[in-house]
Amino acid sequence: GIQVEQSPPDLILQEGANSTLRCNFSDSVNNLQWFHQNPWGQLINLFYIPSGTKQNGRLSATTVATERYSLLYISSSQTTDSGVYFCAVYTGTASKLTFGTGTRLQVTL
Amino acid sequence: KAGVTQTPRYLIKTRGQQVTLSCSPISGHRSVSWYQQTPGQGLQFLFEYFSETQRNKGNFPGRFSGRQFSNSRSEMNVSTLELGDSALYLCASSAREINTGELFFGEGSRLTVL
Repeated sequence: GIQVEQSPPDLILQEGANSTLRCNFSDSVNNLQWFHQNPWGQLINLFYIPSGTKQNGRLSATTVATERYSLLYISSSQTTDSGVYFCAVYTGTASKLTFGTGTRLQVTL
Repeated sequence: KAGVTQTPRYLIKTRGQQVTLSCSPISGHRSVSWYQQTPGQGLQFLFEYFSETQRNKGNFPGRFSGRQFSNSRSEMNVSTLELGDSALYLCASSAREINTGELFFGEGSRLTVL
């Protein structure tokens, strides 16, 4: 089945720093989303981005579908950005949404 | 508008019992999908319903089942509970089928099996 790998697995930043999270996938995808899982477990929708670039405040994302990767940029990080970031992809061959293993981000003061 | 609502939020069961979880999607959304999250296996797809029809099913045993009602609300049931079924169960709704739809998640139902 499709492999979805995220890097780095863990990241510790000081408040105000910038970071880039990466999601690599092994097959062509119809759907790609980025989520932030808060400490209470809820997955918060960040971007629906099967291709192209989007920005929302301090966050932006780029998906290069032909090269099978997506990047999530977090600028001027804040402590509230802490949590786990997941990418999830949908492929026609698997016919299901497959989540990556996540990047655990900790932002310190 | 209201988000995705999952009930109950927390529950404790014993091995051999069965459990039913409920998910009310965002108004107007016709797709509901379910996911299991455990520390060891991560987030795994259980099944997707669209307009009351099961579209896809993940690699879970037949003890895991679900259904969707005409108002798009969905339930999932796990029979003969095992310790390994302890997990966070997440439901997502989408206006379109999940192959092209943007998913919005509920807060989850945290199941503990003793």
